[in-house]
Amino acid sequence: KNEVEQSPQNLTAQEGEFITINCSYSVGISALHWLQQHPGGGIVSLFMLSSGKKKHGRLIATINIQEKHSSLHITASHPRDSAVYICAVTKNSGGSNYKLTFGKGTLLTVNP
Amino acid sequence: NAGVTQTPKFRVLKTGQSMTLLCAQDMNHEYMYWYRQDPGMGLRLIHYSVGEGTTAKGEVPDGYNVSRLKKQNFLLGLESAAPSQTSVYFCASRDYGTADTQYFGPGTRLTVL
Repeated sequence: KNEVEQSPQNLTAQEGEFITINCSYSVGISALHWLQQHPGGGIVSLFMLSSGKKKHGRLIATINIQEKHSSLHITASHPRDSAVYICAVTKNSGGSNYKLTFGKGTLLTVNP
Repeated sequence: NAGVTQTPKFRVLKTGQSMTLLCAQDMNHEYMYWYRQDPGMGLRLIHYSVGEGTTAKGEVPDGYNVSRLKKQNFLLGLESAAPSQTSVYFCASRDYGTADTQYFGPGTRLTVL
């Protein structure tokens, strides 16, 4: 079983819809990261969370440490939000905090 | 400030050939990483470095070697390429401060025939 699981794997939405992507993890972590990858493009870090909630523009990321769960929300979605969204964690076990463990990503398509 | 750059962007190799991928960063980061990305597999760590002169194995190190002779450069070598190494390779460097952000290069698409 993967240590970081994302759902859904694929998501199609209409422009303007509110979108939620989920990430669950099974290990102790010191931080959780959300990344974005546009088709054929590079990978960009969106958020790093260790607790609570962060907001940047139309993107909101939340984390519940007790439930080992994080969500990425996109408000008023737009076709330019179409991308793969990747959840990753920094494990807090000794020697593992140098590395990220990645989920397999969620492919989001926003139609006009 | 170029961030993280990778050379080359594309390459086609024949089985058994060797090549080196170069990653360079100008942000003075200590940590650097090489990943491969395959359909349905997500990003997998090949090797990483926590500082100049250091390297360590990741999840999928077999068939690859790395070197970090200078802080700004992290080289990934394939000594004898195999079709299973066909992939997109990403380099990243990490700001391990309060931001704890990884900065990724644009990727290298490698095909081994």
